[in-house]
Amino acid sequence: GDSVTQMEGPVTLSEEAFLTINCTYTATGYPSLFWYVQYPGEGLQLLLKATKADDKGSNKGFEATYRKETTSFHLEKGSVQVSDSAVYFCALGTALIFGKGTTLSVSS
Amino acid sequence: DAGVIQSPRHEVTEMGQEVTLRCKPISGHNSLFWYRQTMMRGLELLIYFNNNVPIDDSGMPEDRFSAKMPNASFSTLKIQPSEPRDSAVYFCASSLRDGYNEQFFGPGTRLTVL
Repeated sequence: GDSVTQMEGPVTLSEEAFLTINCTYTATGYPSLFWYVQYPGEGLQLLLKATKADDKGSNKGFEATYRKETTSFHLEKGSVQVSDSAVYFCALGTALIFGKGTTLSVSS
Repeated sequence: DAGVIQSPRHEVTEMGQEVTLRCKPISGHNSLFWYRQTMMRGLELLIYFNNNVPIDDSGMPEDRFSAKMPNASFSTLKIQPSEPRDSAVYFCASSLRDGYNEQFFGPGTRLTVL
């Protein structure tokens, strides 16, 4: 069945460091791909999405490109901030299949 | 926009009691999803509805769990009887159409079963 594999956390970075969170998927067809973010005590909110191969989703300095050939959708940000500290979820498909989440902690 | 509304925000109950969680989706959205989040299992889809009709309930853990959507503006998730292992945060989400559109999540209900 469809699945998402997300890199294990936690990820601890200093402010202004480069961030990559890996996400790969297994799916039938070409599902939409999403990154969601969850701040402490809150529900998930969409960070970015891509609906077809080679699409790049971007928001708030975060980017991810839908790579069909490598079945990947890695999340990147060039310079993280303390306010980016949260849990990040990669997800795919019709009724979202989520990765297990990656906790990011950014220190000043 | 009020967003997705869930109630209660926190629920503490004793094992064996019935628990009902409520969700009001965003007006105009026709897909509704119930998720459960725990440290051990992460985020799991329990059930989702399209146009008030349950489409996939394969994630519902067992017969103690049931979900209804009597109309487009209201859904319930019921656990009867509740057990300590049901302790989790339960999220409701809605979207315009499953698969391609953003899901909007509610703030969640934190359930503790003693």
